[in-house]
Amino acid sequence: AAGVIQSPRHLIKEKRETATLKCYPIPRHDTVYWYQQGPGQDPQFLISFYEKMQSDKGSIPDRFSAQQFSDYHSELNMSSLELGDSALYFCATTGGNTEAFFGQGTRLTVV
Amino acid sequence: DQQVKQNSPSLSVQEGRISILNCDYTNSMFDYFLWYKKYPAEGPTFLISISSIKDKNEDGRFTVFLNKSAKHLSLHIVPSQPGDSAVYFCAARVSGGYQKVTFGTGTKLQVIP
Repeated sequence: AAGVIQSPRHLIKEKRETATLKCYPIPRHDTVYWYQQGPGQDPQFLISFYEKMQSDKGSIPDRFSAQQFSDYHSELNMSSLELGDSALYFCATTGGNTEAFFGQGTRLTVV
Repeated sequence: DQQVKQNSPSLSVQEGRISILNCDYTNSMFDYFLWYKKYPAEGPTFLISISSIKDKNEDGRFTVFLNKSAKHLSLHIVPSQPGDSAVYFCAARVSGGYQKVTFGTGTKLQVIP
């Protein structure tokens, strides 16, 4: 069965650069959630979209923005990158069910 | 404010024995609870879930118990296998198309052969 696809899997950026992470949901899933997991930490909710509209916002820095497109994929845009932004970024999708299925994540390293 | 708590950061269990992972929550609006298994550098993998209308859900070696009055749930793995070694996250959400999943802090399970 098709799963949640995230790209890229790994990304290395320098400080102050910009990064774009992409998330492709399971077919017919209309809700996307973004999470950030720093080293030794639990996943922290960043932002979510339902039917292409922002539905909830967590601890997302102002330097980050995200959107969901007409095909329901989502992109997380991160600007003015800082060393502390180095983390695993996960997206999860749901389609009205109660389970959320996660992608394999993008490991962002800021140097 | 940690709404979902896993008070044991780690747990070691002998192969073949039972593993019991515990989770407490504070938000009484949560009505759906999930357990995820996570290996390093991989996304969380959905394991098992339970609705607040039930107090037990079983799937093979995995059973989740829910005590709503105590706002407590637990995951039992019987028998434990070395391949079960991973970090287990308890999670909770309010049912609804766009409600986010709130995670606990995780418990690292090590099953010793």
